[in-house]
Amino acid sequence: SQTIHQWPATLVQPVGSPLSLECTVEGTSNPNLYWYRQAAGRGLQLLFYSVGIGQISSEVPQNLSASRPQDRQFILSSKKLLLSDSGFYLCAWSESAYEQYFGPGTRLTVT
Amino acid sequence: AQTVTQSQPEMSVQEAETVTLSCTYDTSESDYYLFWYKQPPSRQMILVIRQEAYKQQNATENRFSVNFQKAAKSFSLKISDSQLGDAAMYFCAYRSLFTGNQFYFGTGTSLTVIP
Repeated sequence: SQTIHQWPATLVQPVGSPLSLECTVEGTSNPNLYWYRQAAGRGLQLLFYSVGIGQISSEVPQNLSASRPQDRQFILSSKKLLLSDSGFYLCAWSESAYEQYFGPGTRLTVT
Repeated sequence: AQTVTQSQPEMSVQEAETVTLSCTYDTSESDYYLFWYKQPPSRQMILVIRQEAYKQQNATENRFSVNFQKAAKSFSLKISDSQLGDAAMYFCAYRSLFTGNQFYFGTGTSLTVIP
């Protein structure tokens, strides 16, 4: 069966520091991968999605970037965090025509 | 781009009663998928139910069922015999079969279950 992992679960970082969040999927090949951000009590904001290695689509211009160095690995990065980057980050995967499955999320607080 | 609207930011229901959460969407496509996701306080997103647009029969999963009205572009979720564990944020989502890589989510409905 397929599983999706995200780490870290919680992160507190100062403004201006770098960021790296990692997401990996097991049990499937060539999945679509997604990064979402969710502010407290709010809906999901799609940040990036990827349909294959090295193929990244950005939905919101910002100081975040994403990379997919391997088929089942998706990384969210920033060179310098802003206070506004605080939130709950969710990684998700899907196959060609079905629902998305979400990871447990990372709670990021920028201080 | 498709839009998904959940007009009820908050709902409440008595335990063991039935509640219906509303969702409407805007699309010009004929084939697509619709989903309801549940996000409990743990914030783990959990798939509740899926509906394929080409199917006329409404999807059902145990106490959860949908009322899919394709012409009206409406997709409501009915929770029967509500339980305390149903308390969560519920999101409606749309996926195109033509530009199938993106999912569009509503803003969510927060459901409170009153014991």
